[in-house]
Amino acid sequence: TQLLEQSPQFLSIQEGENLTVYCNSSSVFSSLQWYRQEPGEGPVLLVTVVTGGEVKKLKRLTFQFGDARKDSSLHITAAQPGDTGLYLCAGRGYSSASKIIFGSGTRLSIRP
Amino acid sequence: SAVISQKPSRDICQRGTSLTIQCQVDSQVTMMFWYRQQPGQSLTLIATANQGSEATYESGFVIDKFPISRPNLTFSTLTVSNLSPEDSSIYLCSVESGGWGTDTQYFGPGTRLTVL
Repeated sequence: TQLLEQSPQFLSIQEGENLTVYCNSSSVFSSLQWYRQEPGEGPVLLVTVVTGGEVKKLKRLTFQFGDARKDSSLHITAAQPGDTGLYLCAGRGYSSASKIIFGSGTRLSIRP
Repeated sequence: SAVISQKPSRDICQRGTSLTIQCQVDSQVTMMFWYRQQPGQSLTLIATANQGSEATYESGFVIDKFPISRPNLTFSTLTVSNLSPEDSSIYLCSVESGGWGTDTQYFGPGTRLTVL
């Protein structure tokens, strides 16, 4: 069974600080995605990474896919209150029938 | 992209009753997915609904408890039957779009169910 563990589970930091969220698995994924979910809404896709070692930037957010395609990280620079939400990583296996597996989630709170 | 709406957005139900959740997509899609999510936690896939065939349920979920309909390529319903407080959760429908390996899942806003 493929599992995606995220750490930390909860994070509360001051506005302007930097943070990193980790997504780890013992399984290899063909692609990995990061979603952000706000209360009362469904998750919204932030990025998809498909190449081992790939780094993608989205404004203050930097996403990295591990070389072995088993892990990923999300780094936020100068966090803002608007970054508050639940962050979910999600991985897909190599089979065309593989479903997307969601990580355990990281609840992020940015204090003004 | 896909825009998904769900009804109702929330409901409070009595133990032993049932709730049917509707999911409408603004484009035709082959597969629709139903998830359950405890507030602030990750998503658990309940079943995959294909148009014209029976839904495929994940381990721990059965058709008698979670019957699903998929009458056409833009609509699906999930019924949560014989409700108990343990069924209190957020239920989300989802569709996929894009090429293999880069599929994006689009989610509805969710239905928050509280069972008394």
